[in-house]
Amino acid sequence: AAGVIQSPRHLIKEKRETATLKCYPIPRHDTVYWYQQGPGQDPQFLISFYEKMQSDKGSIPDRFSAQQFSDYHSELNMSSLELGDSALYFCASSFGRGSGANVLTFGAGSRLTVL
Amino acid sequence: DQQVKQNSPSLSVQEGRISILNCDYTNSMFDYFLWYKKYPAEGPTFLISISSIKDKNEDGRFTVFLNKSAKHLSLHIVPSQPGDSAVYFCAASANRDDKIIFGKGTRLHILP
Repeated sequence: AAGVIQSPRHLIKEKRETATLKCYPIPRHDTVYWYQQGPGQDPQFLISFYEKMQSDKGSIPDRFSAQQFSDYHSELNMSSLELGDSALYFCASSFGRGSGANVLTFGAGSRLTVL
Repeated sequence: DQQVKQNSPSLSVQEGRISILNCDYTNSMFDYFLWYKKYPAEGPTFLISISSIKDKNEDGRFTVFLNKSAKHLSLHIVPSQPGDSAVYFCAASANRDDKIIFGKGTRLHILP
């Protein structure tokens, strides 16, 4: 069965550079969530989209932006990268909003390293 | 402020015995709780969940217990198997249509 696809799996950037992470949800899933997991930390919710509209916002820095496109894939854009942005970025998708009624399925993550 | 707390960073259990992973939460608005399992180089995988209207949910070797008055839940795995070695995340949401908040995770080692 198709899973949540994230690309790239690994990304190395310099400080102040820009990075873009992509997430392709499970077919027919219309909701996408982005989480950031720093070393030794819990996954922190960043932002979510339902039917291409932002549905919730968490601890996402102003330097980051995201959107969901007409084909339901999502991109997380990170600018003016800082060392502290080095983390594992997970994308998850579900059909319909909700962690309860519809279990989130996670991708394998994109590891960003900022040098 | 950590709303979902897993105070044990790691746990070692003998194969065949019971593994008990604990989780505490502070937000009384949480009404849906989940456990996710994560292997290295993979994303978290949903394991089991429980609604606040229940105090127990069982699925095969996995049982989740919820004590609302204590704001505490636990995951029991019995019997523990080598493939259960992973990081287990406790998570919660304030309603079924909301984002989930994760704990820091507990790394479970199943010893042969």
